[in-house]
Amino acid sequence: QQPVQSPQAVILREGEDAVINCSSSKALYSVHWYRQKHGEAPVFLMILLKGGEQKGHEKISASFNEKKQQSSLYLTASQLSYSGTYFCGTHPRSNYKLTFGKGTLLTVNP
Amino acid sequence: NAGVTQTPKFQVLKTGQSMTLQCAQDMNHEYMSWYRQDPGMGLRLIHYSVGAGITDQGEVPNGYNVSRSTTEDFPLRLLSAAPSQTSVYFCASSPDANYGYTFGSGTRLTVV
Repeated sequence: QQPVQSPQAVILREGEDAVINCSSSKALYSVHWYRQKHGEAPVFLMILLKGGEQKGHEKISASFNEKKQQSSLYLTASQLSYSGTYFCGTHPRSNYKLTFGKGTLLTVNP
Repeated sequence: NAGVTQTPKFQVLKTGQSMTLQCAQDMNHEYMSWYRQDPGMGLRLIHYSVGAGITDQGEVPNGYNVSRSTTEDFPLRLLSAAPSQTSVYFCASSPDANYGYTFGSGTRLTVV
């Protein structure tokens, strides 16, 4: 069962912040975040393994609430290069399957 | 380091034909997976493997077979191609459950 991402799309101006949410109905071992630019393969951003732990990558960070089975990706002071589709992937505790949400299209305009 | 290599990059098949999409990685990763990507559907898991000789089904396995005889290779076989299998296929690998996946550049498959 795919995790649910929200919003489906967001448009920002350079320098603005955004939050992308991901939720699952299953108990999770980890949450992954990836970014995909048009016509390219997804690129790994970060993995969150423990409840409440935040990880960072450039000005992009994320949190993972293990009890609620939710994760959020925070993009601060967005840059043009942040444009793309962001996918969360969830890895349940019960097996080794990594399944992805339908993605959030982020557009950063000058 | 080549990473994850997928071949071919593009392929056109006729309905009913069979073919194998190749995936090879040179990073000694145990975990490998196949995904298909269709507009508005995200990445859907077809089959995955956690080591040589071990495979399991994902969300959309029908019409596809896999095998994992070596750590490096994880081919995806389409048994009898159908237009519904028109998609972009990605292979991905990871050392284990504590790390992210590295994706190949994809195979764009069209079934006519």
